[in-house]
Amino acid sequence: GAVVSQHPSWVICKSGTSVKIECRSLDFQATTMFWYRQFPKQSLMLMATSNEGSKATYEQGVEKDKFLINHASLTLSTLTVTSAHPEDSSFYICSARKTSGGEGEQFFGPGTRLTVL
Amino acid sequence: LAKTTQPISMDSYEGQEVNITCSHNNIATNDYITWYQQFPSQGPRFIIQGYKTKVTNEVASLFIPADRKSSTLSLPRVSLSDTAVYYCLGWSNTGKLIFGQGTTLQVKP
Repeated sequence: GAVVSQHPSWVICKSGTSVKIECRSLDFQATTMFWYRQFPKQSLMLMATSNEGSKATYEQGVEKDKFLINHASLTLSTLTVTSAHPEDSSFYICSARKTSGGEGEQFFGPGTRLTVL
Repeated sequence: LAKTTQPISMDSYEGQEVNITCSHNNIATNDYITWYQQFPSQGPRFIIQGYKTKVTNEVASLFIPADRKSSTLSLPRVSLSDTAVYYCLGWSNTGKLIFGQGTTLQVKP
C-alpha cells in the first residue's frame, strides 16, 4: 500500500518560535495533500488542502498566515506553525491522495505531536 | 458533505461480531461512504468504502441500504487489538474528508 511519512513525529518548542512539519508520500506521487489537527479526545479537524504547485486552500477559521503550507513537489508538503503558542499544541496529521481528481483513497501519515511550552 | 451521526462509544468482547451503524441522511448522490480506524496517537487507517449494497474485504464488511441514508460497518470476531475509534465519512469528488466524532470501540477480554 501507499505510505505517507511525517517528520518529526514529535516536537517541543518554546512559545513564539516557528515549527516546520514535513509530510512525504514515499511510494507515490501526491497531487493533493491535506492537513488536519486533532486535540485530545476530539476528532480530526481539516485545516487546509494543498495542491502541488499552487496555493493552499484553508478551511474557515484557520489562519493562513499562522499555518503556512507549501506543496512544492509531488511528494512533499510542509506545514509551518509560525509564532507558536501553547494553544497550538496538538496532534497534526497529513494525508495524501494520488490523483488530483475526486477518485483515490487518502493515505494518512502517522501524525506529529506538537507541544508548545 | 453529508453530516454523519454515530454512537459515541460501544463495548464488545473478544470473538464477537461488532456492528457500528452510521446515519448520513443528507448524503449526496455522488458521495461514497468510507470508514476509517484510528488508534491513539496514530493517523487514521482506511478500512472500507462503498457506494451501495454490500462490500466486503479482508477486515470488514460494509452494508448500505438502498436509500443510502445509513451504513453499517461489521467487524467479524473482534480482538483486543480492534479497540480504536471508528469514523464514518461521506467522501465526495472534492476529495475532502470531514471527520465526525467517531465511535470509540472498546473490546474486552
